[in-house]
Amino acid sequence: GDSVTQMEGPVTLSEEAFLTINCTYTATGYPSLFWYVQYPGEGLQLLLKATKADDKGSNKGFEATYRKETTSFHLEKGSVQVSDSAVYFCALKGETSGSRLTFGEGTQLTVNP
Amino acid sequence: DAGVIQSPRHEVTEMGQEVTLRCKPISGHDYLFWYRQTMMRGLELLIYFNNNVPIDDSGMPEDRFSAKMPNASFSTLKIQPSEPRDSAVYFCASSALQGRYETQYFGPGTRLLVL
Repeated sequence: GDSVTQMEGPVTLSEEAFLTINCTYTATGYPSLFWYVQYPGEGLQLLLKATKADDKGSNKGFEATYRKETTSFHLEKGSVQVSDSAVYFCALKGETSGSRLTFGEGTQLTVNP
Repeated sequence: DAGVIQSPRHEVTEMGQEVTLRCKPISGHDYLFWYRQTMMRGLELLIYFNNNVPIDDSGMPEDRFSAKMPNASFSTLKIQPSEPRDSAVYFCASSALQGRYETQYFGPGTRLLVL
């Protein structure tokens, strides 16, 4: 079945540092890929998405590129801010999974001033 | 738009009691999802509806859990009887299919504590 594996957290960075959160997936065909962010005490919000190979999703300075050859969708940001502190979830929607999203375990990011 | 609305935001109850969680999806969305989030198991899909009809309930833990969607603007998730291991944050999400793609919008969650 479909699965998503994220790098283990927590991740702690200083403000303005470069961020990478790794995400790899297992799925048949061509799934759609997502990054969601969850701020403390809130629900998940869509951060960015990519629906086909080589697509790059971007939002709020975050980027991720759909790499079919490595089955990866790593999240990057060039310069993190304290306000980026949150939990980040990688997710996929498989071609045969209807509307079901499969989520990774989540990665806690803390950015210190 | 008000977004997905969930109530209550917090619920504390005693083991054996009935718990009802409520959700109002975004107007015009035809998919509704119920998730459970715990530290041990992460985010789990419990059930989802399309046009008020349950499509996939394979994630519902056991017969103590039931979900209904009587109309397009309201859904409930009921636990009867509740147990301490049901303590979690329960999220409702909704989406609308736009072509092949859709985005799920999450509510703020209900934090449930069963004593």
